[in-house]
Amino acid sequence: QSALTQPASVSGSPGQSITISCTGTSSDVGAYNYVSWYQQHPGKAPKLMIYEVTNRPSGVSFRFSGSKSGNTASLTISGLQAEDEADYYCISYARSSALVFGGGTKVTVL
Amino acid sequence: EVQLVESGGGLVQPGGSLRLSCAASGFTFSSYHMNWVRQAPGKGLEWVSYISDRSRTIYYADSVKGRFTVSRDNAKNSLYLQMNSLRAEDTAVYYCTRDGGRGYDMDYWGQGTLVTVSS
Repeated sequence: QSALTQPASVSGSPGQSITISCTGTSSDVGAYNYVSWYQQHPGKAPKLMIYEVTNRPSGVSFRFSGSKSGNTASLTISGLQAEDEADYYCISYARSSALVFGGGTKVTVL
Repeated sequence: EVQLVESGGGLVQPGGSLRLSCAASGFTFSSYHMNWVRQAPGKGLEWVSYISDRSRTIYYADSVKGRFTVSRDNAKNSLYLQMNSLRAEDTAVYYCTRDGGRGYDMDYWGQGTLVTVSS
């Protein structure tokens, strides 16, 4: 079970937009629309931000959006705010191994 | 209010065993699939195991297959993880999560319980 590939860090200034990529294979990200994204602040449990590639759960800001192209899913944060500084993880269903997480991306608001 | 409360973590020697529990409340537990996810200190999230609502479908990560066993008791609204042959690399915070039924999403998480494997 290989982890999905995410950039270790992404940064942006308040108000800017940033995009976090999550690259898998044709057996996981590319095969299913079962990608979800989680935000984790230090010392806290993760929080669901996006499910099924593009859908936002109730209560999650419209500034968060998801997409997918081929074997790569992406999370975009628009209008970056200080409170968005956190770690972000993607996870996908995988044909051979059920579920696999990405390695995580640390978002820094400059 | 949905609540997931893990317990059973602690310090255990390499090769030892531990059983984690997750008490669920605020929803119809028997209608939801569940997961265990772990996070080693300072590291990323790692999915550990999945169990369907009636325990008919169970998955494990390769890293724990053959050593960990997931189970549930719907009458007691509880999820379990029996961990045997523990290794130092199993040291982590273990989270119980609810599958929201939308493409394997995890819509609720517990606060986690720390398992430390050390001599």
